[in-house]
Amino acid sequence: QLQLQESGPGLVKPSETLSLICTVSGGSISSNSYYWGWIRQPPGKGLQWIGSIYYRGTTYYNPSIKSRVTISVDTSKNQFSLNLNSVTAADTAVYYCARQDGWLGSGDYWGQGTLVTVSS
Amino acid sequence: ETVLTQSPGTLSLSPGERATLSCRASQSISSSYLAWYQQKPGQAPRLLISGASSRATGIPDRFSGSGSGTDFTLTITRLEPEDFAVYYCQQYGTSMLTFGGGTEVEIK
Repeated sequence: QLQLQESGPGLVKPSETLSLICTVSGGSISSNSYYWGWIRQPPGKGLQWIGSIYYRGTTYYNPSIKSRVTISVDTSKNQFSLNLNSVTAADTAVYYCARQDGWLGSGDYWGQGTLVTVSS
Repeated sequence: ETVLTQSPGTLSLSPGERATLSCRASQSISSSYLAWYQQKPGQAPRLLISGASSRATGIPDRFSGSGSGTDFTLTITRLEPEDFAVYYCQQYGTSMLTFGGGTEVEIK
């Protein structure tokens, strides 16, 4: 059974960089059938797609935050990661990683999510 | 960017009733690349429907999706107690993925 697990600091100071890792187990990230994505959800609000990556490194980002986001993949560790710089309180959210079926497809497996709070 | 508008914002129904949720897109969604998710408090979203009408693995047949172009519908034929949750639609037909604002199905 495929599992995804987010990890990283739960508290980040304003103007600093938010860094999260998603570890994939029970399957290989190096599959040509899937993209791997990050989605976030501010407390009490809806879902926002941040960006996605293919195991060979092709990335797509949400234009609204593209200037601050980097998503990378480490196939040797079966992980992909999210870096979001210059964070503000508006970046406080639960961050999810997910497997996407096909090219930027629907998310069929999700991590449990991790709450990241931006506060001094 | 394709904007998805879900209606109603809240649906108050009783167990056993039928739920009809709407998702309208600001532009036509190619190849019906429209998904529906269910989210319960404190949990990650769960994929219900992809390709507008294909149920994901393990999803009961009381959930069905329909529609094309700009108008899509999620129907739950007979609400079970575990179906009370928030439902989101998502389009993935472009390189900019977007979600609707959600519909909460609450117990009347």
